[in-house]
Amino acid sequence: SQTIHQWPATLVQPVGSPLSLECTVEGTSNPNLYWYRQAAGRGLQLLFYSVGIGQISSEVPQNLSASRPQDRQFILSSKKLLLSDSGFYLCAWSGLAGREQFFGPGTRLTVL
Amino acid sequence: SQQGEEDPQALSIQEGENATMNCSYKTSINNLQWYRQNSGRGLVHLILIRSNEREKHSGRLRVTLDTSKKSSSLLITASRAADTASYFCATEGSGYSTLTFGKGTMLLVSP
Repeated sequence: SQTIHQWPATLVQPVGSPLSLECTVEGTSNPNLYWYRQAAGRGLQLLFYSVGIGQISSEVPQNLSASRPQDRQFILSSKKLLLSDSGFYLCAWSGLAGREQFFGPGTRLTVL
Repeated sequence: SQQGEEDPQALSIQEGENATMNCSYKTSINNLQWYRQNSGRGLVHLILIRSNEREKHSGRLRVTLDTSKKSSSLLITASRAADTASYFCATEGSGYSTLTFGKGTMLLVSP
């Protein structure tokens, strides 16, 4: 069966520090991968998605970036965090674009 | 924006009652999906309904889709305290390959 992992689960970082969040998927190959951010009490905002290794589409211009160095690995990064980057970051995968997505447990990021 | 909007924002009911949540969207879609999120957790896919379908059932869940009104409803019958969660609709728009999520409905089921 397929599983999706995210780490770390929680993170507290100072403003201006770098960020690296990792997501890995097991049990499937060539998944579509997604990074979302969820502000408190809000819906999900799609940040990046990838249909293959090295292929990244950005939905919202900001100081975040994403990379997909391996088929089942998706990384969210920032060189300098802003206060507004605080939130709940969710990684998800799907077998086909537009079909059901399977979410990881999320990373709670607090920027102070 | 094709974003879905759920209604109501919050719903509080007693165990055994039915819960109905609605979702409206703005543009034509290929499918509409409902997800559930327990507090502090990732989302869990519940059900997908295609644009050419009008109703779908899964256990205690019933989803309807009215493409002429650009709306969908999720009915949870005989609710349980364990159904307490936030529920989101998500749409795959025609010509898009990603999902757009609404802001969700917070459901509280009291024992």
